[in-house]
Amino acid sequence: EAQMVESGGGLVQPGGSLRLSCATSGVSFSSYWMAWVRQAPGKGLEWVATMDIDGRDKFYVESVKGRFTISRDNARNSLYLQVDSLRVEDTAVYYCVREAHASFDYWGQGTLVIVSS
Amino acid sequence: EIVMTQSPATLSVSPGERVTLSCRASQSVGSNLAWYQQKPGQAPRLLISGASTRATGIPARFSGSGSGTEFTLTISSLQSEDFAVYYCQQYKDWPPMYTFGQGTKLDIK
Repeated sequence: EAQMVESGGGLVQPGGSLRLSCATSGVSFSSYWMAWVRQAPGKGLEWVATMDIDGRDKFYVESVKGRFTISRDNARNSLYLQVDSLRVEDTAVYYCVREAHASFDYWGQGTLVIVSS
Repeated sequence: EIVMTQSPATLSVSPGERVTLSCRASQSVGSNLAWYQQKPGQAPRLLISGASTRATGIPARFSGSGSGTEFTLTISSLQSEDFAVYYCQQYKDWPPMYTFGQGTKLDIK
């Protein structure tokens, strides 16, 4: 069974940092681009970051450039998102997703990040 | 930046009805268009990729069409489990960028 399990979310003050993790199993990982998508409470979906297969190319939505860093460990079938200089507007559920054919075919259950003082 | 606009925002329908949801791109995205279904408290699920290709395990009552800037998702006969929010998403090639529409909520009439 395919599983993508995120962890690392929580309550953090503005300006703080977190490291989100995504452990995958039962789904091909190392041959696919991977990404993070977020959803603010009661709002729609927003793509955050994408990484290619070997981690050389990384792409971010403009609002997180310079603050978030996506990375992966193909040996551990895991994806990460380092989130720094957090802002209130970064509050959201963060989903780990696999990219295939210009879409996202596998999703984790998400991890909630709350940025509040 | 490519803006995706979905209409309507909310649609009240009865089980068994045929439903068509619309998604418009602010500039051509070719066939790089996907549709997702999201139920309350759940992660989104991929329904359609490449504008018209059903994802694995998606029932045949779901179909997608369109290219360029105009896309539709059709549910041929609405089932009770289909009441959810539907999002379209485009992909722009190099540098990669993905943009979602704001969603269409299907309500039970």
